[in-house]
Amino acid sequence: NAGVTQTPKFRVLKTGQSMTLLCAQDMNHEYMYWYRQDPGMGLRLIHYSVGEGTTAKGEVPDGYNVSRLKKQNFLLGLESAAPSQTSVYFCASSRDAPSTDTQYFGPGTRLTVL
Amino acid sequence: DQQVKQNSPSLSVQEGRISILNCDYTNSMFDYFLWYKKYPAEGPTFLISISSIKDKNEDGRFTVFLNKSAKHLSLHIVPSQPGDSAVYFCAALSNDYKLSFGAGTTVTVRA
Repeated sequence: NAGVTQTPKFRVLKTGQSMTLLCAQDMNHEYMYWYRQDPGMGLRLIHYSVGEGTTAKGEVPDGYNVSRLKKQNFLLGLESAAPSQTSVYFCASSRDAPSTDTQYFGPGTRLTVL
Repeated sequence: DQQVKQNSPSLSVQEGRISILNCDYTNSMFDYFLWYKKYPAEGPTFLISISSIKDKNEDGRFTVFLNKSAKHLSLHIVPSQPGDSAVYFCAALSNDYKLSFGAGTTVTVRA
């Protein structure tokens, strides 16, 4: 079991460029999440999904889009990157809702936008 | 505005002693609380949780205490071990799917 994996581990973008972060889980989990972590702040939820084909906005969704075409994958897209999106991005998954099941996190993607 | 606050960014403790990490929250709708542990270059991993109907939950060396009236919870690690050196995040859940995290406390256990 690889658990939750994230691709890529590091990326540097120029302002205005686009990119997609890939999250994959092999635990057959229904729920998947994207968070960002900034210095001095806790993880903040960007978007989440409660099942294949579904997505929902989290706390800080602006500037991001997501897709969950396959149950095991959750993609986070930045259409036009901005320096404010420099952050560490974590993907997580859980079998059930957070109130009843633990979230398992990937190792993170460190993104720098110049 | 952060609804979950960890006011101590760092904590240094001698091996074998107790580590006490504190967390305060503002949203009275939070009904489930969790602690996550994070090593460098890794994602957070679940450590221990507590429901709002309890005031204490224990798992081995880790105990979480909840004081609802004060909107405060704490994590006790006894005894502290070098492998406990990590960043600890407090998180809280309300009735939806969103976890609110504190900024984290970096614990350093000295030999």
